[in-house]
Amino acid sequence: AQSVTQLGSHVSVSEGALVLLRCNYSSSVPPYLFWYVQYPNQGLQLLLKYTSAATLVKGINGFEAEFKKSETSFHLTKPSAHMSDAAEYFCAVILTGGGNKLTFGTGTQLKVEL
Amino acid sequence: KAGVTQTPRYLIKTRGQQVTLSCSPISGHRSVSWYQQTPGQGLQFLFEYFSETQRNKGNFPGRFSGRQFSNSRSEMNVSTLELGDSALYLCASSLVTGHQETQYFGPGTRLLVL
Repeated sequence: AQSVTQLGSHVSVSEGALVLLRCNYSSSVPPYLFWYVQYPNQGLQLLLKYTSAATLVKGINGFEAEFKKSETSFHLTKPSAHMSDAAEYFCAVILTGGGNKLTFGTGTQLKVEL
Repeated sequence: KAGVTQTPRYLIKTRGQQVTLSCSPISGHRSVSWYQQTPGQGLQFLFEYFSETQRNKGNFPGRFSGRQFSNSRSEMNVSTLELGDSALYLCASSLVTGHQETQYFGPGTRLLVL
């Protein structure tokens, strides 16, 4: 069963426009949620994480995500895209009882155009 | 503080050979997890080690194995390499403070099997 779904394998925005990357999870119990970014030929960098302390989570590089239990969503947003934001973004979940195992979505490639 | 380091960064092997990859976690981190990233299957969890013991395992054949040393450094080994083992292998370390542990990733080892 898919634990996390990312809608849109490719997203293109203009520089300065809003970035919205979608992530939905499938769990009856709120899991631990993460967003990671991967630049070409690099590992994964943690953007932000949800740990139930607050539903609106602020991360690095101006990104934030809002946990919505009613919609089982954890969408990533940034008010104004920058060329340096072009990368692949992964939503990931640790399910309750899943130990430390991260289950990743399929990723969204973000393209930023002038 | 130095990040997660992985060696080697690139590796070319032929079918049937075996390979050993190394991961040094962030100082003080005691948990090390391994992931495989391929274009077709995405990011998949291999296994996790904590205090020299495997405490979680993904759905990979027995050709994939790992271990952790007393200094928390970890190695993973793939025996009898197949073409499909070509991938980016990522290591992540985490500080074990409770049941929610953020994982920090290394740059990965890119393995090409010919």
